[in-house]
Amino acid sequence: DTEVTQTPKHLVMGMTNKKSLKCEQHMGHRAMYWYKQKAKKPPELMFVYSYEKLSINESVPSRFSPECPNSSLLNLHLHALQPEDSALYLCASSQDPRQGRTGNTIYFGEGSWLTVV
Amino acid sequence: AQSVTQLGSHVSVSEGALVLLRCNYSSSVPPYLFWYVQYPNQGLQLLLKYTSAATLVKGINGFEAEFKKSETSFHLTKPSAHMSDAAEYFCAVSGDGGYQKVTFGTGTKLQVIP
Repeated sequence: DTEVTQTPKHLVMGMTNKKSLKCEQHMGHRAMYWYKQKAKKPPELMFVYSYEKLSINESVPSRFSPECPNSSLLNLHLHALQPEDSALYLCASSQDPRQGRTGNTIYFGEGSWLTVV
Repeated sequence: AQSVTQLGSHVSVSEGALVLLRCNYSSSVPPYLFWYVQYPNQGLQLLLKYTSAATLVKGINGFEAEFKKSETSFHLTKPSAHMSDAAEYFCAVSGDGGYQKVTFGTGTKLQVIP
């Protein structure tokens, strides 16, 4: 069983809606990630938080807004999405970014399936 | 920039046969290498990882992979395929651009024929 928990598992939203995806981990990890995965494609990195601060933004459109309220929680706020944003959104975490190589095994949650209509 | 190439988007093996999934990487720094498995409608599960401690890495479910620097390869093997091994397998690398940036290969779908 994964120790990274994502909610909701499925979300359908209109293009004018505002919704959020939530992620929680209790492994004491200090780095958290959002990935986007389209069908039959590999995951693509969106954001990385290290010690609750945004460290990597892979040029993601502003209609996706990440938030890291504390070391255990990661949110992805969604607003004015397009149908092409429909995908599996994966949250992940890793132990300690300061450890570099040894600290960076990334553990994934089950994902949130997003459909934009 | 780092990259991973997985040879064969689909691999079919008979139950009980050897599983071999190929992965070649490119990195300008010593790489950190992973194999992940994804079952239908699920997230990614770590099978094994290479940390430079040993070139032959053993993972879960009987899988193992061998790091060969001279060939820039990290192929995944399992001596005897089981029906439950049918899934999508992703090879991944980190290192270039920091070890938090993990780059995935395009994946190999493993089919196990009874």
